Amino acid sequence: SQELEQSPQSLIVQEGKNLTINCTSSKTLYGLYWYKQKYGEGLIFLMMLQKGGEEKSHEKITAKLDEKKQQSSLHITASQPSHAGIYLCGADFTPLNDYKLSFGAGTTVTVRA
Amino acid sequence: AAGVIQSPRHLIKEKRETATLKCYPIPRHDTVYWYQQGPGQDPQFLISFYEKMQSDKGSIPDRFSAQQFSDYHSELNMSSLELGDSALYFCASRPRGGKKDYGYTFGSGTRLTVV
Repeated sequence: SQELEQSPQSLIVQEGKNLTINCTSSKTLYGLYWYKQKYGEGLIFLMMLQKGGEEKSHEKITAKLDEKKQQSSLHITASQPSHAGIYLCGADFTPLNDYKLSFGAGTTVTVRA
Repeated sequence: AAGVIQSPRHLIKEKRETATLKCYPIPRHDTVYWYQQGPGQDPQFLISFYEKMQSDKGSIPDRFSAQQFSDYHSELNMSSLELGDSALYFCASRPRGGKKDYGYTFGSGTRLTVV
């Protein structure tokens, strides 16, 4: 989706190091979703952010939403090989309850041992 | 826990043939979404259904049609297949009116290859 820009496109991180992925929207966000995808496989829901300033964590993954910048960041602490994959942000651009997601192009994460 | 089931997992068809993809949502999920993900691309929304009625439509070609049945499973019918239809097709489900922080649950996808 051109409305969502993810950066970086790809990154390689040493095991144990931290990493951050950004997702910036050109439109008003009514919900921002983070998914992880193994190559050629299904999307695994990580977390969803809706309110400005919201921050959620699950295990070593933390996501934040900056409402003013219409931007979300996904931060992984002490990365492990299991964190490797493609991370996609998906946005809900409508205030309605029945919504479809527009996805960013994804960030490919490689974790080196 | 039951997940979204898609079948088949892989499908190879020739140009101009027809393909049918099936999606079985999580029990009690009444809303189904179809996405198409081309090689190296992000998923693109195709179409969605709620209570067996089409609720939204995205960039779905006229050669494609879909429906949702009384048991809430959905089928995506693709005719006159073209090489460019080769992609991973995802189905996702959620309960309508469910909390927004629930997110979608995606199936593992059907990989369609048109030769």
